[in-house]
Order: sequence, then structure tokens, then C-alpha cells
Amino acid sequence: GAVVSQHPSRVICKSGTSVKIECRSLDFQATTMFWYRQFPKQSLMLMATSNEGSKATYEQGVEKDKFLINHASLTLSTLTVTSAHPEDSSFYICSARDQRGGLGGFFGQGTRLTVV
Amino acid sequence: AQTVTQSQPEMSVQEAETVTLSCTYDTSESDYYLFWYKQPPSRQMILVIRQEAYKQQNATENRFSVNFQKAAKSFSLKISDSQLGDAAMYFCAYGGSQGNLIFGKGTKLSVKP
Repeated sequence: GAVVSQHPSRVICKSGTSVKIECRSLDFQATTMFWYRQFPKQSLMLMATSNEGSKATYEQGVEKDKFLINHASLTLSTLTVTSAHPEDSSFYICSARDQRGGLGGFFGQGTRLTVV
Repeated sequence: AQTVTQSQPEMSVQEAETVTLSCTYDTSESDYYLFWYKQPPSRQMILVIRQEAYKQQNATENRFSVNFQKAAKSFSLKISDSQLGDAAMYFCAYGGSQGNLIFGKGTKLSVKP
């Protein structure tokens, strides 16, 4: 089956710093990747859609200048949380969609971000 | 806009028994997929079962099966012979033309030994 690897799995950073999260498709080429956010005891909410070679599409209410997404290759998308604040602490998880157009249902392991 | 509703925040089942988790959705699309995901404490999203809307036959994966009622926009998950390892959060999800998934709020399943 399709494998998506997300790194790091856990990160603690100081308020005001930036953190980069990587999402890689290991055995297929992902034309589209999706970034979700999950607060404790809540569901996954889509933050943005990342398309290889073009700008990401952000959901309403998601600050594009705070959550920078880059999808420079068919196997890698990155999410950078800039100038992180404690309210950005959350679980971030990516999923990938392959070139055949299969649904973006292959998930990475997720990243728990804690901003102190 | 599509929505997914899980009306059972928590469910409990005795080991070896059967439990059904409910899910309803709303969409105007005709071509879509429905999913059930399991999220254990590790928070890894594990695909349990997937159903294509154009297929009338209900999907089955070992002890897991769905009851897909397209006209009623209902998509319930049945877990047979429940095991302790089945305890987790279960999310129902809708996948449409955009490719991303829309999730319900989840059902926390407990399995009693």
C-alpha cells in the first residue's frame, strides 16, 4: 500500500520561532497533498491543499503567512509554522493523493507541535 | 458544502460482541467515497474500510462491514467479534471531487473485557 512519512513526529519550540514539518510519499508520486490540524479531542480540519509546483490553497480562516506550504517535488510537501505561538500547539497531519487521482486517504504519522 | 455527522460521541461494547457506529452525510455530488478511519492513542490515522458511492454492494474487511444507504445518506460501521485492540476513536469521512476528506467529529469506542 501507499506509504506517507511525516517528520518530525514530535517537536517543542519556543514562542516566536519557526518550525518545519515534512511530508513525504515514499512509494508513489503525490500530485496533491493535504494538511490537516487536529486539536485535542476534536476532529481533523483541513488547513490547506498543496499542489506540486503551484501555490497552496488555504481554507477560510487559515493564515497563509503563518502556515507556509511548499510542494516543490512530487514526493515532498512541507508545512512551516512561522513565528509560532502557544495557540499554534496542535497535532498536524498530512495526507497524499497520487497521480492516478486516488483520494487523499494515505496519511502520515502526524506531528505533535508544542509551543512554549 | 459537504458535511459528515457522527451522533455518538462514545460507544461501549463487550469483548466478542458486535457494535455499530453511525454516520450520516450530506452532499450534492453523485460520485464520492466514504471512509471509516481508526485513530488509536498514537493518533495515526488507520484506514478501516472504504466504500465507493457507485457500488451498491456494502464493503467488508474481515470483522468490519458497512451498511451504506445512499438514498438516506447513511454509512454505518459494524464491528463483529470486538477485540480489545479495537478500542480507539473512529472517524467517518467523506471524499469528494476535491480529493480532501471531510471528517465527522468521531466516536470513541471502548471495549470491555
